[in-house]
Amino acid sequence: AQSVAQPEDQVNVAEGNPLTVKCTYSVSGNPYLFWYVQYPNRGLQFLLKYITGDNLVKGSYGFEAEFNKSQTSFHLKKPSALVSDSALYFCAVRGSTSGTYKYIFGTGTRLKVLA
Amino acid sequence: DADVTQTPRNRITKTGKRIMLECSQTKGHDRMYWYRQDPGLGLRLIYYSFDVKDINKGEISDGYSVSRQAQAKFSLSLESAIPNQTALYFCATSDAVAAPQHFGDGTRLSIL
Repeated sequence: AQSVAQPEDQVNVAEGNPLTVKCTYSVSGNPYLFWYVQYPNRGLQFLLKYITGDNLVKGSYGFEAEFNKSQTSFHLKKPSALVSDSALYFCAVRGSTSGTYKYIFGTGTRLKVLA
Repeated sequence: DADVTQTPRNRITKTGKRIMLECSQTKGHDRMYWYRQDPGLGLRLIYYSFDVKDINKGEISDGYSVSRQAQAKFSLSLESAIPNQTALYFCATSDAVAAPQHFGDGTRLSIL
């Protein structure tokens, strides 16, 4: 069965410091992996995705994510955090084989960037 | 204008009432989805539709039904609302196998 784990409910980081938000997954076949961000009273907004190719994926607002097949991880990173990055972040996985086409979301990680 | 529009944005109602949440999109996508978001549980899929004639149950479809009236419209109904259906509901669309989803701004539903 497909699953996504975001082990941290909240991540605190000082402004200007690098940030990492963790995600691990389980899916049959090759995964399609996504990161989304949610601001208060808004829907989820797409940040980046991994389908195939280079393991380091660059996305919106300076975010990037590294796909690690052996560790089944897809951690979100940013070299220098901004206060405006404070939000709720969701990792999602979708399979590439029959029966795994649904998107499965993690429980979310709240990122708090401190000035 | 928003690409994915959900109405209403907020709704308070009583146990036993029938409720319909509506979603319309201008993105031209074939695939549409309904999710609910609960604190600490993330998003859970209720129903999804890959085209007008295709409706599929998600992981938590009990107590819900959907209607895909057109490519652009996908409605979610609660036939007889109960308090544990109080949640934030999201509609989303996508256009291809590996495409990201585009979300509406949600409907906050409270059932008393």
